[in-house]
Amino acid sequence: GDSVTQMEGPVTLSEEAFLTINCTYTATGYPSLFWYVQYPGEGLQLLLKATKADDKGSNKGFEATYRKETTSFHLEKGSVQVSDSAVYFCALSLNSGGSNYKLTFGKGTLLTVNP
Amino acid sequence: EPEVTQTPSHQVTQMGQEVILRCVPISNHLYFYWYRQILGQKVEFLVSFYNNEISEKSEIFDDQFSVERPDGSNFTLKIRSTKLEDSAMYFCASSVGHRLTGELFFGEGSRLTVL
Repeated sequence: GDSVTQMEGPVTLSEEAFLTINCTYTATGYPSLFWYVQYPGEGLQLLLKATKADDKGSNKGFEATYRKETTSFHLEKGSVQVSDSAVYFCALSLNSGGSNYKLTFGKGTLLTVNP
Repeated sequence: EPEVTQTPSHQVTQMGQEVILRCVPISNHLYFYWYRQILGQKVEFLVSFYNNEISEKSEIFDDQFSVERPDGSNFTLKIRSTKLEDSAMYFCASSVGHRLTGELFFGEGSRLTVL
């Protein structure tokens, strides 16, 4: 079945460090890919997405590129801030015939950024 | 900014008891969802709901689970006879439409602990 594997956490970085959180997927079709973020005490929020190969999603300094050849969607940020501390979830969805948002998530990666 | 709200934030119950988790989706959204995350595991899709009926459900969503939109604002998840393995964080979500060009908005989650 469809699945998402993302880097196990927790990840602890110093402010202004470079961030990479790896995400790879297995899917029977051609998925759309997402990164969601959950800040402490809040719900999951869409961070960025990409719907076709070679698309780059970006938001708030974060980027991820849809790599079909490596079935990956790694999340990167050049310089993290303390406010980026959160849990990051990689997810995919196969839009089968106008179906709903049936997302398949990874386990989540806890990122802590220290000042 | 409109948001999805969930109550309670945490519920502790005895095995075999009925539990109702409540959600207020964003007011102009038409599609509603429940997801759950067992501690240390992935966020899993449970069910999607549109036009007062279930549009898709996972194998997890067995006869012990039901969803309802009792009025114009609430969306509830009922577990009839809770089991220990139902202990998890339950996330409600809503979307305007079902196409993946839009966004899925999540609530903060309701943590259910079954003793």
